[in-house]
Amino acid sequence: AQSVAQPEDQVNVAEGNPLTVKCTYSVSGNPYLFWYVQYPNRGLQFLLKYITGDNLVKGSYGFEAEFNKSQTSFHLKKPSALVSDSALYFCAVREATTSGTYKYIFGTGTRLKVLA
Amino acid sequence: NAGVTQTPKFQVLKTGQSMTLQCAQDMNHNSMYWYRQDPGMGLRLIYYSASEGTTDKGEVPNGYNVSRLNKREFSLRLESAAPSQTSVYFCASSENLSSYEQYFGPGTRLTVT
Repeated sequence: AQSVAQPEDQVNVAEGNPLTVKCTYSVSGNPYLFWYVQYPNRGLQFLLKYITGDNLVKGSYGFEAEFNKSQTSFHLKKPSALVSDSALYFCAVREATTSGTYKYIFGTGTRLKVLA
Repeated sequence: NAGVTQTPKFQVLKTGQSMTLQCAQDMNHNSMYWYRQDPGMGLRLIYYSASEGTTDKGEVPNGYNVSRLNKREFSLRLESAAPSQTSVYFCASSENLSSYEQYFGPGTRLTVT
């Protein structure tokens, strides 16, 4: 079975500093990887995805993620953090099921706190 | 467009009571999903509906039933609530099952005492 791991429950970063939220994956075959963000009392919002091609993927709100096949990682990054980036971030992988459909496996989430 | 809407926002039930969580989307999506979110466990898929008229079990279907009433609406029913079902429930939709992006509702916070 495929899985993703987010090793940090919380990441603190000062406003204006670069941020990284880590994700590692375990899949068979080519991975389809995603990042979602959840603001307080809201549903998840799609940030970006990696399907194939360039290892650096750009997404919404200035976020980007780097796919690294040798390290089986898909870390989320932003060059300069904003206080408004404070939220819960989920990494996810898409898995094909035996019935020919797909399902998403979500990580446990990392809370990002950007300090003013 | 309202996107994905869920009702109610909050609910408290006693053990053994039943209730239905409602979800509707106005994006003309074919596929809809129900997840539960628990601390330290991420989101887990309860049931999904590939298209109108079809439903399938996800990772954690026990204790739940679903109905895909029409293309817009997908409801989740707890027949006999248990404290282990205390969670935040999210409905999501996507254009179809092979779509990469899912759109989530704001969630229903359910407490079972």
